[in-house]
Amino acid sequence: QVQLVESGGGVVQPGRSLRLSCAASGFPFSTYGMHWVRQAPGKGLEWVAFIWSDGNDKYSADSVKGRFTISRDNSKNTLDLQMNSLRAEDTAVYYCGRDRGLKYLDYWGQGTLVTVSS
Amino acid sequence: QSALTQPASVSGSPGQSITISCTGTSSDVGGYNYVSWYQQHPGKAPKLMIYDVSNRPSGVPDRFSGSKSGNTASLTISGLQAEDEADYYCTSYASGSTLVFGGGTKLTVL
Repeated sequence: QVQLVESGGGVVQPGRSLRLSCAASGFPFSTYGMHWVRQAPGKGLEWVAFIWSDGNDKYSADSVKGRFTISRDNSKNTLDLQMNSLRAEDTAVYYCGRDRGLKYLDYWGQGTLVTVSS
Repeated sequence: QSALTQPASVSGSPGQSITISCTGTSSDVGGYNYVSWYQQHPGKAPKLMIYDVSNRPSGVPDRFSGSKSGNTASLTISGLQAEDEADYYCTSYASGSTLVFGGGTKLTVL
């Protein structure tokens, strides 16, 4: 069965960096695009970034452009999110999700919490 | 990348039907038949309920249905059940190769 397991969350000071990972299993990872979506405490879902199956094309939300970088390693079935220059407003649960044609996410991980605070 | 507009809350009694709207623009909802809906229970990950406006993934009850007219998409839940109480989010493909989510709707089953 499809499994997505996020890791790497924690408490980090404003301006610092953090790298999230998503371990995928149960499906041919290299043939699917992948997303990161976040949810601030008590708030709604916000799309963060997307990467195509071959890793050659990536897109990100304006709110994180220039600070966050999505990447993947198809040999290890892992998806990453490098987050730099973190701000308090980046505090959220970060979910990875499997893409279907850049139209929707059919499977989601359980999320990892990132807290940006001094 | 403005969020799609959903009502903050809706409610209904068991057995009744409710509809949640999701309003966007011609650059997202109105421009593509790529609206999807997600159900999220407290502390849980979102679950796909509807994709491509009106298609249900395997395992989703046929009480859930989706539609679209112009820039507004809708999720209808008929025969409300207690377990349907959750937050619901719409999303759409948007020009520029992005996804945009709605602000979410809290469904209360009375």
